[in-house]
Amino acid sequence: DAGVIQSPRHEVTEMGQEVTLRCKPISGHDYLFWYRQTMMRGLELLIYFNNNVPIDDSGMPEDRFSAKMPNASFSTLKIQPSEPRDSAVYFCASSLSGTSGGRYEQYFGPGTRLTVT
Amino acid sequence: AQSVTQLGSHVSVSEGALVLLRCNYSSSVPPYLFWYVQYPNQGLQLLLKYTTGATLVKGINGFEAEFKKSETSFHLTKPSAHMSDAAEYFCAVLSNTGKLIFGQGTTLQVKP
Repeated sequence: DAGVIQSPRHEVTEMGQEVTLRCKPISGHDYLFWYRQTMMRGLELLIYFNNNVPIDDSGMPEDRFSAKMPNASFSTLKIQPSEPRDSAVYFCASSLSGTSGGRYEQYFGPGTRLTVT
Repeated sequence: AQSVTQLGSHVSVSEGALVLLRCNYSSSVPPYLFWYVQYPNQGLQLLLKYTTGATLVKGINGFEAEFKKSETSFHLTKPSAHMSDAAEYFCAVLSNTGKLIFGQGTTLQVKP
């Protein structure tokens, strides 16, 4: 398996522009997670989906952020409009529900490094 | 609410020395605990996990961790450090809402 795939790997954009980050989870996994990592705040869970349905979006910082999962093999995280404080590494992770903690064994993608100038 | 505290944001050891990375957790329910490793410019990779059963858990790359309920700890150890172990390590606890709560991370430096 190719693992979790994220694109782009790096994104540099100007303040006010729309940014779309993409994620392809591991085939067969039914949970998908979006995280943000910064030096100041560490690793934060933004939102997660189960069977393409958003379960908890309480970590989404504000209305400028939105996430969708139109099918089991694709998800997007959109920021509109982007701001310099959104600069971070964004990770997508997926997992497979199962027994005894298996659901929580998350497989991470390589991340998208976003820089907003 | 669950939380994780990793003691020491940076740990430096010599190659061949014991690695000890400390993690304390807070949980109102029997915890599920995890250690992840992040190599530079990569995503997180699961090292090991504790759910139930044996309190000493063995993971990949020679790492192990022991769940100690009385101390609310889940410290990560490796008998002999390799240069390739240099990375950032995250301890995590499963929250009662199903999220993973991560610690702030510990950067391990291995000196030749």
